[in-house]
Amino acid sequence: SYEVTQPPSVSVSPGQTASITCSGDKLGDKDACWFQQKPGQSPVLVIYHNSWRPSGIPERFSGSNSGNTATLTISGTQAMDEADYYCQAWDSSTVIFGGGTKLTVL
Amino acid sequence: QVQLQESGPGLVKPSETLSLTCTVSGGSVSSGSYYWNWIRQPPGKGLEWIGYIYYSGSTRNNPSLKSRVTISKDTSKNQFSLKLSSVTAADTAVYYCARYHPQGGMDVWGQGTTVIVSS
Repeated sequence: SYEVTQPPSVSVSPGQTASITCSGDKLGDKDACWFQQKPGQSPVLVIYHNSWRPSGIPERFSGSNSGNTATLTISGTQAMDEADYYCQAWDSSTVIFGGGTKLTVL
Repeated sequence: QVQLQESGPGLVKPSETLSLTCTVSGGSVSSGSYYWNWIRQPPGKGLEWIGYIYYSGSTRNNPSLKSRVTISKDTSKNQFSLKLSSVTAADTAVYYCARYHPQGGMDVWGQGTTVIVSS
C-alpha cells in the first residue's frame, strides 16, 4: 500500500522559515494537501492542490510538490503556527495521511 | 456555509458495532462531486482515513480496516453514517467527518466525537 513519510518534529525560531516535508514514491505525480491541527481542535486545511491556499489562510503558508517530495513552507513563522501538520495524498481512490509533524516555534 | 456535526455513543463495548452519524447543514450530501469522509485519530496519534461515500452513493474504505466498515447516507435527513463492527480497544479514537471536493480539498471538518471502547 502507498505510504507518505513526514519527520516527527521540526523546530523553527520566530520570524524564520519552517519547511516540513512529505515523502512518497512519485508523490509529485499526485495531489498533495496539508492540514494544521492544534491541540483539542479539528484539522484545518492550509494547502490543497499542492500549492493553493484556501481563503482565510495567511500568505505565509505555501506548498510545493515535485519528484518524491511535497513541502509545506511557512515564511515568517509566528508563535500561533505551533501545531501538528499532516500531509495527505490520494492513491487508487483512497486517502493517505502522513504520520504528522510537530512544529515547535522557539 | 457548510457545517458538519458528528453524533453517536461515546462508549462502545468490545466486539460490538460502533455507529456514528454526521449531520450536514448548509449543504447537501447529494451535491455533485463531493466525497463525505470519516477519519479517526487515536489518543496521541495521527490521522487515519476510514472511508468515504461519494455523492452518488458509491463507497470506498481503508483496506486496513478490511470489511468492518460500512458507510451509508440518508438523503432525507441530510446525513451520512459510519458503522464499524467488532470493535476493540484499538478503535478508541476521536472520530471526524469531513467533506472533500476535487477542486477544494478536504475543506470542512466536524468538531469530532470521542469514542471509547471498553467493557
